[in-house]
Amino acid sequence: EAEVAQSPRYKITEKSQAVAFWCDPISGHATLYWYRQILGQGPELLVQFQDESVVDDSQLPKDRFSAERLKGVDSTLKIQPAELGDSAMYLCASSFRDGNEKLFFGSGTQLSVL
Amino acid sequence: AQSVSQHNHHVILSEAASLELGCNYSYGGTVNLFWYVQYPGQHLQLLLKYFSGDPLVKGIKGFEAEFIKSKFSFNLRKPSVQWSDTAEYFCAAGSSNTGKLIFGQGTTLQVKP
Repeated sequence: EAEVAQSPRYKITEKSQAVAFWCDPISGHATLYWYRQILGQGPELLVQFQDESVVDDSQLPKDRFSAERLKGVDSTLKIQPAELGDSAMYLCASSFRDGNEKLFFGSGTQLSVL
Repeated sequence: AQSVSQHNHHVILSEAASLELGCNYSYGGTVNLFWYVQYPGQHLQLLLKYFSGDPLVKGIKGFEAEFIKSKFSFNLRKPSVQWSDTAEYFCAAGSSNTGKLIFGQGTTLQVKP
């Protein structure tokens, strides 16, 4: 079965540094999501793309986080500067049309900010 | 504000016991409801979903959920759990208009053999 690819799998950085995460959704999936999951909590939606357009980024801390999906395929999530509270698992998911269909999740990037 | 609330954070059961995990949602407009599961070391995956029609929906591995509109609830049930059901379970609600999907905080289920 096709999978959502994410890299890196783990990232350790110091606070104030910049970090970037990459996601390649399943081919043909129009919708791409970035979620943040803190240990013991459910995934929190950061940003939702429909093709290359942002549908929802209401929970994205825009002073330090940015996300792009320039060609409507793969996507990059950036944090600059990273803060201690950003330590979490960052999950990417995709669906053929939108969240009313089955979401396919990647393995995530585990970020540790020291 | 949109929100999904799961009643139990951690549930421990013995094999063959019955399971019910509570989920309540607050979501304006038409909402679709989901349960996702994350087995140890695996990705989140869809367990079942409700869009419309019969409020009792059946999913994979013998799970079912009942949508009760008057209670804004979508509880997950299984008559007899197995050790292999040990996992984290997430209830989620999605806007039928935008496809925005939000998750509850999750329930960790531990099944003792």
